[in-house]
Amino acid sequence: DAGVIQSPRHEVTEMGQEVTLRCKPISGHNSLFWYRQTMMRGLELLIYFNNNVPIDDSGMPEDRFSAKMPNASFSTLKIQPSEPRDSAVYFCASSGGATNEKLFFGSGTQLSVL
Amino acid sequence: GENVEQHPSTLSVQEGDSAVIKCTYSDSASNYFPWYKQELGKRPQLIIDIRSNVGEKKDQRIAVTLNKTAKHFSLHITETQPEDSAVYFCAANSGGSYIPTFGRGTSLIVHP
Repeated sequence: DAGVIQSPRHEVTEMGQEVTLRCKPISGHNSLFWYRQTMMRGLELLIYFNNNVPIDDSGMPEDRFSAKMPNASFSTLKIQPSEPRDSAVYFCASSGGATNEKLFFGSGTQLSVL
Repeated sequence: GENVEQHPSTLSVQEGDSAVIKCTYSDSASNYFPWYKQELGKRPQLIIDIRSNVGEKKDQRIAVTLNKTAKHFSLHITETQPEDSAVYFCAANSGGSYIPTFGRGTSLIVHP
């Protein structure tokens, strides 16, 4: 398996633009997480899906953020409109199967909002 | 909910020394405690984990200890090497939950 795949690796956009981050979890994993990492706040959980259903979205900052998981192999995190304070590294992670609670992270998306 | 505190935030050691990172948790129902290592510019990766029915676990130069009574757990790295330099995150999963609560991370610097 290629591991958790995220795209794009880097995204530079202007304030007000829509940003869409993509994630493909490891095949067979039934849990998917979106995290945001900044120096100030560390690793923040944004949303957690189990079997494609959002279970905990209490970490989603505000209505500008939305996440979907239309099927077991794909998830998106959308920011509309984007703001400079959204600049961070966004990680997707998956877990499940024989490895249970162990999280496998993607390479992350470095987002810069100018 | 669970709250995980991690100390120190930065740790600087000489190559060959030992390094210890400590974490405390608040939820006595937590039963799974993983440690992740994140090298500069890379993704976090699991390096070792421990469950609440075990007091200590070792894997080569790294070991983790758990004190359920005091609700704290620690990562021990012996004979540190420059390639151990990274940010280390502890985490705790409450019983039955697949959602880990992460500590703020410890930046370990190993000087050659």
